[in-house]
Amino acid sequence: AQKVTQAQTEISVVEKEDVTLDCVYETRDTTYYLFWYKQPPSGELVFLIRRNSFDEQNEISGRYSWNFQKSTSSFNFTITASQVVDSAVYFCALSLRGGSTLGRLYFGRGTQLTVWP
Amino acid sequence: DVKVTQSSRYLVKRTGEKVFLECVQDMDHENMFWYRQDPGLGLRLIYFSYDVKMKEKGDIPEGYSVSREKKERFSLILESASTNQTSMYLCASKGETAYTDTQYFGPGTRLTVL
Repeated sequence: AQKVTQAQTEISVVEKEDVTLDCVYETRDTTYYLFWYKQPPSGELVFLIRRNSFDEQNEISGRYSWNFQKSTSSFNFTITASQVVDSAVYFCALSLRGGSTLGRLYFGRGTQLTVWP
Repeated sequence: DVKVTQSSRYLVKRTGEKVFLECVQDMDHENMFWYRQDPGLGLRLIYFSYDVKMKEKGDIPEGYSVSREKKERFSLILESASTNQTSMYLCASKGETAYTDTQYFGPGTRLTVL
């Protein structure tokens, strides 16, 4: 069975602080994808990144960076110099390649990030 | 850009009513999904569809059914709404490359059952 754990339910930081959101996943499959989505107060889930299980390179996009480590089954997300607009719920998710799951997503429970001015 | 639309942002229904939630995507995607989101539980998959008239149960299908008569439209049906179905419902779609494409989400429907 697949499982995604986001242990941090809520995080509060002050603007310009760096913040890391943790994600730990479980799967017996060797080929899978990992995702991060952002859900602002408006409610719509916004896709941020997809990572292939064979690609452990870290990725940086502006103030966002992702650290994928298969050895610890983790896919952590760091926001550098956080801003008030980063306030949202962030979800980590997993999908499998192959099998009958047709790429469905397995979600963590989300981390509510609040950035104070 | 992919666009997924849902028929209502907010909906209030009474217990026992039949409720239809509609989802439409404009990217000719084969795969469509319905999730519900509840505080502290994250998103849970209700049903998904990989082709017209095809459907698969997700993790929590009880009390729901779906319909996919056209490729672009995927409907979630609550045959007899109950208060425990008060929730946020999110629809998503993704393309035929089932294992590589990203799921894109609609804005969600916040359903309240009184």
